[in-house]
Amino acid sequence: GNSVTQMEGPVTLSEEAFLTINCTYTATGYPSLFWYVQYPGEGLQLLLKATKADDKGSNKGFEATYRKETTSFHLEKGSVQVSDSAVYFCALRGHYGNNRLAFGKGNQVVVIP
Amino acid sequence: DTEVTQTPKHLVMGMTNKKSLKCEQHMGHRAMYWYKQKAKKPPELMFVYSYEKLSINESVPSRFSPECPNSSLLNLHLHALQPEDSALYLCASSRDRADEKLFFGSGTQLSVL
Repeated sequence: GNSVTQMEGPVTLSEEAFLTINCTYTATGYPSLFWYVQYPGEGLQLLLKATKADDKGSNKGFEATYRKETTSFHLEKGSVQVSDSAVYFCALRGHYGNNRLAFGKGNQVVVIP
Repeated sequence: DTEVTQTPKHLVMGMTNKKSLKCEQHMGHRAMYWYKQKAKKPPELMFVYSYEKLSINESVPSRFSPECPNSSLLNLHLHALQPEDSALYLCASSRDRADEKLFFGSGTQLSVL
């Protein structure tokens, strides 16, 4: 079935540092890939998405590229701010049969001033 | 209006109580979802409604009873819950089941004593 794997553990970094959160997936066919962000005490917000191989999703300085050859969708931001502190979920959705949204376990990101 | 509104934000209930969670959207979306999220875990799909009809029930115990009285409202009726049902309950909506962009509410934090 479809599944998403995110790197283990929280991520703590200083303001203006470079952020990378790894995400790999297993799916049949050509799923759509997403990053959702959850700020403290809130629901999930769609951060960015990509629907086909080599697509790059981008929003608020965050980027992720759909890499079919490595089945990856790593999230990057060049210079993080304290306000980027949140939990980030990678997710995928298939297009045939089971088109439920499958989430990774999430990564807590803490940005220190 | 691009909001999904959930009430109440917090709820404490005993194992013999009956309560309801409410979700409302005015975006004209015809698919609505209930998710359950335990602390530090990704959301888990519970129910999906499509055009006011239940289309997915992820084997959820009958003590959770969803209801979609019209295209803007989604309820989750709770009865005889267990302490392990304590979680954040998230509502989401999308234009229809095929639309990949989900809008999430901020959730109801439920504690069962």
